Amino acid sequence: EVQLVESGGGLVQPGGSLRLSCAASGFSFSNYVMNWVRQAPGKGLEWVSYISISGSTKYYPDSVKGRFTVSRDNAKNSLYLQMNSLRDEDTAVYFCARLSGTYGGGFDIWGQGSMVTVSS
Amino acid sequence: QSALTQPASVSGSPGQSITISCTGTSSDVGSYNLVSWYQHHPGKAPKLMIYEVSKWPSGVSNRFSGSKSGNTASLTISGLQAEDEATYYCCSYAGGNTYVFGTGTEVSVL
Repeated sequence: EVQLVESGGGLVQPGGSLRLSCAASGFSFSNYVMNWVRQAPGKGLEWVSYISISGSTKYYPDSVKGRFTVSRDNAKNSLYLQMNSLRDEDTAVYFCARLSGTYGGGFDIWGQGSMVTVSS
Repeated sequence: QSALTQPASVSGSPGQSITISCTGTSSDVGSYNLVSWYQHHPGKAPKLMIYEVSKWPSGVSNRFSGSKSGNTASLTISGLQAEDEATYYCCSYAGGNTYVFGTGTEVSVL
């Protein structure tokens, strides 16, 4: 079964750090571009990061640039999101999502999400 | 990097058709035919319903259809069913390997 499973979420104080992980199974992880998408409570989806197949190319929106770092380990079929200098507004469910190799521009596989709460 | 604009809610009776709009700019929706649509039930993973403006991924009902004109994309759900109740998000490629999602539309079946 094709699957993505996030982990690592939790409660962190403002200014703190947290690292999310996303374990992939059922497909050739090393052949796909991966992304992180988040959803704040009562809000819509927000794209958070892009990482190329090799991991050499990364992109972020201005809202997290300089604070978040995406990485991957293709040998371990895993995607990561290092989040530093966390703010209240970073509170959200974080999803990892596969950029489809078949359906242009579409995120075709998503995890169930990992909740991150930033609060003192 | 502003979110694409969608109506907050749309409703319809079973069997009817509804249309959800998604308005962006000439930098995203207007520049690329890479608009996708997602169905999201609370607590679940979002599901890809439409890609490249109007194409269906395998397994998605053809009751869902997409289109685009200028800076606005649209999703139409025909033959509305109770199971279609969910929040729907559009998403557009915005250049430079960046993406922007819509504000989301809650669909209710009356």
